[in-house]
Amino acid sequence: QSALTQPASVSGSPGQSITISCTGTSSDVGSYNLVSWYQQHPGKAPKLMIYEVSKRPSGVSNRFSGSKSGNTASLTISGLQAEDEADYYCCSYAGSSTPHVFGTGTKVTVL
Amino acid sequence: EVQLVQSGAEVKKPGESLKISCKGSGYSFTSYWIGWVRQMPGKGLEWMGIIYPGDSDTRYSPSFQGQVTISADKSISTAYLQWSSLKASDTAMYYCARRGQYYGESRYYFDYWGQGTLVTVSS
Repeated sequence: QSALTQPASVSGSPGQSITISCTGTSSDVGSYNLVSWYQQHPGKAPKLMIYEVSKRPSGVSNRFSGSKSGNTASLTISGLQAEDEADYYCCSYAGSSTPHVFGTGTKVTVL
Repeated sequence: EVQLVQSGAEVKKPGESLKISCKGSGYSFTSYWIGWVRQMPGKGLEWMGIIYPGDSDTRYSPSFQGQVTISADKSISTAYLQWSSLKASDTAMYYCARRGQYYGESRYYFDYWGQGTLVTVSS
């Protein structure tokens, strides 16, 4: 099972919107609405930001939104803020024998 | 409050064995899957495997099958990740994470994470 493909880096100015893509295959992202997204600040544990493609856990800002089209899922951060600067990882269900596969990760820089 | 508390940092030599732990509290430990995730220095997250403490049902990523053993002791609400013979390439941060649930049905995302255990393997 190969890692899902994400851009290495994405940047934006404060207040702008950015979108991070997560490309998989018809065996994972394309087959299930079970993509989640995690934010990781340096030296910290990952934090769940989006689950099941577009659902937000309680306490996560509504500036974060998720979507999916075909084999590609996306995370959009609107109204970019300095605190959003972090690494972001997608993760998809990939079947009962290997249920989870992470993306390669994207570093978000706030200019 | 849900918490996953992992054991402390370890420094080991190649060939040594190691078992690290992840203690859950604030929820029914036997009812939620616990996963392990590796993060090598400066690299991304890699899913290693997952265990259901209720019956010890365990699944491994093909990349880690045979390289590590995942177990759990439900009497003390603790999951484990162990190596029988460490290699320098096992140097990494290891996280445990709880898989979510909705109305008693397991979901495929990790809603709570441990603080991580740094394992350093060096001669």
